[in-house]
Amino acid sequence: DIVMTQGALPNPVPSGESASITCRSSKSLVYKDGKTYLNWFLQRPGQSPQLLTYWTSTRASGVSERFSGSGSGTYFTLKISRVRAEDAGVYYCQQVREYPYTFGAGTKLELK
Amino acid sequence: QIQLVQSGPELKKPGESVKISCKASGYTFTDYAMHWVKQAPGKGLKWMGWINTYTGKPTYADDFKGRFVFSLEASASTANLQISNLKNEDTATYFCAREITTRVDYWGQGVMVTVSS
Repeated sequence: DIVMTQGALPNPVPSGESASITCRSSKSLVYKDGKTYLNWFLQRPGQSPQLLTYWTSTRASGVSERFSGSGSGTYFTLKISRVRAEDAGVYYCQQVREYPYTFGAGTKLELK
Repeated sequence: QIQLVQSGPELKKPGESVKISCKASGYTFTDYAMHWVKQAPGKGLKWMGWINTYTGKPTYADDFKGRFVFSLEASASTANLQISNLKNEDTATYFCAREITTRVDYWGQGVMVTVSS
């Protein structure tokens, strides 16, 4: 199985600052079609996860431009610009390159 | 609008069975796969598998082979998760989520299953 390893954030993050979350995979997430199959989700307290980005860097419908995904191969980053109160929660990366799909352990974002 | 509405919370004893439903609306049910995800209390997300809503074929992650069954009531745009011989470690919130071309874009609200004697 592909293991996903997420980095931590230096919580709490001051409102208005930027925050970057890292995610590493134990195997390249590039598929033969050239796409890199990595999703990012945000789970706010008491809520269901929300898709933020897919195919590494494509923002999901309705997601703020303050969220941007990047990376390639086995190293990925989710950047959150001008952090706001509603960004608080746990962020998960998920590889969808092959079964079983696997999630990272989650990275908590707390705001100051 | 697109919605995945799951059934209500369940309290079960060890050894019993439970069936959770996920009713889809606002889109063509068979155009999207349905995935199931487990979240134990205070823990992260764990992918359980998915079901092809067009063919009905399920795919299970290794940890969810045997006691877990994904099924459909396609005429009712509903996906089901049945867990048999419940164990304490099955206590968790179970989410359904639709997927197309690896975009897992809508999730149900989750169902809390508590297993306790």
